[in-house]
Amino acid sequence: DVKVTQSSRYLVKRTGEKVFLECVQDMDHENMFWYRQDPGLGLRLIYFSYDVKMKEKGDIPEGYSVSREKKERFSLILESASTNQTSMYLCASSLGDRGYEQYFGPGTRLTVT
Amino acid sequence: AQSVTQPDIHITVSEGASLELRCNYSYGATPYLFWYVQSPGQGLQLLLKYFSGDTLVQGIKGFEAEFKRSQSSFNLRKPSVHWSDAAEYFCAAPGGYQKVTFGTGTKLQVIP
Repeated sequence: DVKVTQSSRYLVKRTGEKVFLECVQDMDHENMFWYRQDPGLGLRLIYFSYDVKMKEKGDIPEGYSVSREKKERFSLILESASTNQTSMYLCASSLGDRGYEQYFGPGTRLTVT
Repeated sequence: AQSVTQPDIHITVSEGASLELRCNYSYGATPYLFWYVQSPGQGLQLLLKYFSGDTLVQGIKGFEAEFKRSQSSFNLRKPSVHWSDAAEYFCAAPGGYQKVTFGTGTKLQVIP
């Protein structure tokens, strides 16, 4: 079974803090994704990576950056957390030729106070 | 890129009753379409997918979906709902190279 793990299930940070969310997948998938999930808005793509050190902006990249130094790990960085970044963050991965069949981690609920 | 619309935010059904969740898509050519499910406290899981061919697609957990081009729909169905089916369901379509665009979701409540 594909396993996607996220470093924290719940996280509370203060405004202005730098926040790192980590995601690791164990199936050698080429593609990795970061989404945020908000009620009534569904999932919105923040960033996408299709290979090590390669990244592409999604629909809502403002206020976020990413890092992919190793194939199995994809990090989401909030340089200076703000209250409007309070949300559920979901990581996903997929094979290189099956980007539409994504495997998700359990999510990190981030609260910024 | 395709887009999908889920008109129902919340649906309640009795255990054992049949279920149909609606999804409408917008795209000119033959679309690729998906349904994902998110159980409480979990990430999303792919239920089923439609690429081409037979318009009735079988998925996991006893779910099926039917692609209807004339109605631009890809509705999810289950003949008899179990309490464990309570979850949020997302219709999805390709949103660019290797990416997926998700609908806003339909939350299913199952009552005994």
